[in-house]
Amino acid sequence: DTAVSQTPKYLVTQMGNDKSIKCEQNLGHDTMYWYKQDSKKFLKIMFSYNNKELIINETVPNRFSPKSPDKAHLNLHINSLELGDSAVYFCASSHWGNTEAFFGQGTRLTVV
Amino acid sequence: KNEVEQSPQNLTAQEGEFITINCSYSVGISALHWLQQHPGGGIVSLFMLSSGKKKHGRLIATINIQEKHSSLHITASHPRDSAVYICAVYTGTASKLTFGTGTRLQVTL
Repeated sequence: DTAVSQTPKYLVTQMGNDKSIKCEQNLGHDTMYWYKQDSKKFLKIMFSYNNKELIINETVPNRFSPKSPDKAHLNLHINSLELGDSAVYFCASSHWGNTEAFFGQGTRLTVV
Repeated sequence: KNEVEQSPQNLTAQEGEFITINCSYSVGISALHWLQQHPGGGIVSLFMLSSGKKKHGRLIATINIQEKHSSLHITASHPRDSAVYICAVYTGTASKLTFGTGTRLQVTL
């Protein structure tokens, strides 16, 4: 049983397209996150949701829109993809309050 | 300057060696994560600690809150320990993790 699962694992798409990455957790956590890992392997938070409510939005372009239909899901939709969006995107979840975070396997997005 | 600094950036060791990876941070934190990422793989949580020391198998993590420093030790290293080790800290109350730049470890036979 995968605790935090992301789909797809790989995504290759052309500039200008719109794409979505899905994330689901079965750990009963109330907080979910999206992180971006750049080509130098540096991780940075993009968004966090607690009980479906947006808590953190770290100066991410408006083209990125997270959606949390329920506490177990946090999807990431990206409009008008740009070359600079190429990265690995990680979903994670935890209980609220700075507790241990569990990460998905990552989605490698390549924009060509 | 990054709020979380790790050293060394790259580390090569021979099988069996004792390894130490260091993490220093410049902000107040509530807890610190040590994470492991294998090449092409996902991220796995090794430890979360806010004081003292934790041990899991051959891995030991320590933290000194006053000195704003944490170390990850690997005893009797093995090639399967080859991975990137990432330190991350919780700052504030919004469950926000700030990451170090990672330490790439290569353990050879």
